[in-house]
Amino acid sequence: AQSVTQLDSQVPVFEEAPVELRCNYSSSVSVYLFWYVQYPNQGLQLLLKYLSGSTLVKGINGFEAEFNKSQTSFHLRKPSVHISDTAEYFCAVKGGTSYGKLTFGQGTILTVHP
Amino acid sequence: DAGVIQSPRHEVTEMGQEVTLRCKPISGHDYLFWYRQTMMRGLELLIYFNNNVPIDDSGMPEDRFSAKMPNASFSTLKIQPSEPRDSAVYFCASSLRAGRDYGYTFGSGTRLTVV
Repeated sequence: AQSVTQLDSQVPVFEEAPVELRCNYSSSVSVYLFWYVQYPNQGLQLLLKYLSGSTLVKGINGFEAEFNKSQTSFHLRKPSVHISDTAEYFCAVKGGTSYGKLTFGQGTILTVHP
Repeated sequence: DAGVIQSPRHEVTEMGQEVTLRCKPISGHDYLFWYRQTMMRGLELLIYFNNNVPIDDSGMPEDRFSAKMPNASFSTLKIQPSEPRDSAVYFCASSLRAGRDYGYTFGSGTRLTVV
């Protein structure tokens, strides 16, 4: 079975600063990786996904993530954050014997301060 | 498309009462998932359906929880009797296929408070 670990439960950052939200996964087989964002009192929205090919994936709202197979990581980055990026971010993995099921990390709360 | 629609958005009920949460998936989506979100446990998959058939209900916490999908456009999650520890946000999500490259579309959730 696969699992996901988000290394930071909370990340505070100032507006226009860069940010990295860290995600590590474990799986004995090939996986597909996703990042979701949850704004207050809303459901989860897909930010980006890694399926295959280029290890650098670009998503919505200026976010990107890099798949690193050797380090089993899929960190999310943004070069300059806005107040509106304040939300909770979830890394998720799909694959292996849990075909069809997304396994989520515990989430990282990103708070952007003015 | 209106997306995944959940109702009600908020539910407050007394301990011991029956609670029914509802979900309408995106038309044409073959898979439907029920998740529960709490501060302590994060996002937990409760059950999922494929073509209206329950595939994996190993995440359902106990017999007080039941889920049905009578047709492709409607699913319910029922808790009877409800307990304060069931307080959480319950999300429904649907997916076009179970293929590894398909993500989910989530509803806005139902915030359940059991007092």
